[in-house]
Amino acid sequence: AQTVTQSQPEMSVQEAETVTLSCTYDTSESDYYLFWYKQPPSRQMILVIRQEAYKQQNATENRFSVNFQKAAKSFSLKISDSQLGDAAMYFCAYRSRNNDMRFGAGTRLTVKP
Amino acid sequence: AAGVIQSPRHLIKEKRETATLKCYPIPRHDTVYWYQQGPGQDPQFLISFYEKMQSDKGSIPDRFSAQQFSDYHSELNMSSLELGDSALYFCASSLGPRGTRYEQYFGPGTRLTVT
Repeated sequence: AQTVTQSQPEMSVQEAETVTLSCTYDTSESDYYLFWYKQPPSRQMILVIRQEAYKQQNATENRFSVNFQKAAKSFSLKISDSQLGDAAMYFCAYRSRNNDMRFGAGTRLTVKP
Repeated sequence: AAGVIQSPRHLIKEKRETATLKCYPIPRHDTVYWYQQGPGQDPQFLISFYEKMQSDKGSIPDRFSAQQFSDYHSELNMSSLELGDSALYFCASSLGPRGTRYEQYFGPGTRLTVT
């Protein structure tokens, strides 16, 4: 079974600086999707970025980018120019071809002014 | 290590029927969260419980109800099922809703199909 591991329960970053959240996963599949979700205190899950495993190019969405290392099964999220509104729980997730989803346990990001 | 257990893993119901989904949190976890993820959609937070009391409420329809029992397991009851209720339902558990441990450990999900 696929597993997703986020080894950093909590992270903090100074406003305007850069922070990287780590995620590793375990799978025997070659085709899958990876996601980063943001969860503010409202509990709503907001998609931050997604990556298709067959794409070598790292996905980028404005200040958010990933470092996808397929061989190492690593999928880290980099947040540049951190803003106060970035403070939230961040979940890494894996979706297999048959739509099974697995979530990491989350990383709580604090942004210091 | 023990993980979050959800049952059943798959469920097929007809419109207007009822369904009950169960979630067994990680031992010693006192908080349970329910999420709904429709096809091609982001997970939507439904409701959470801490120490058997509702702690947060999200976009849970009035046709749905949930509760947490004395052994901390939780059940999501869904009545008058509609086709649009077809989704993956995830349960997650944590130790305290906003305590020292923030992580939410997700179960494998229950796939509900309404026909």
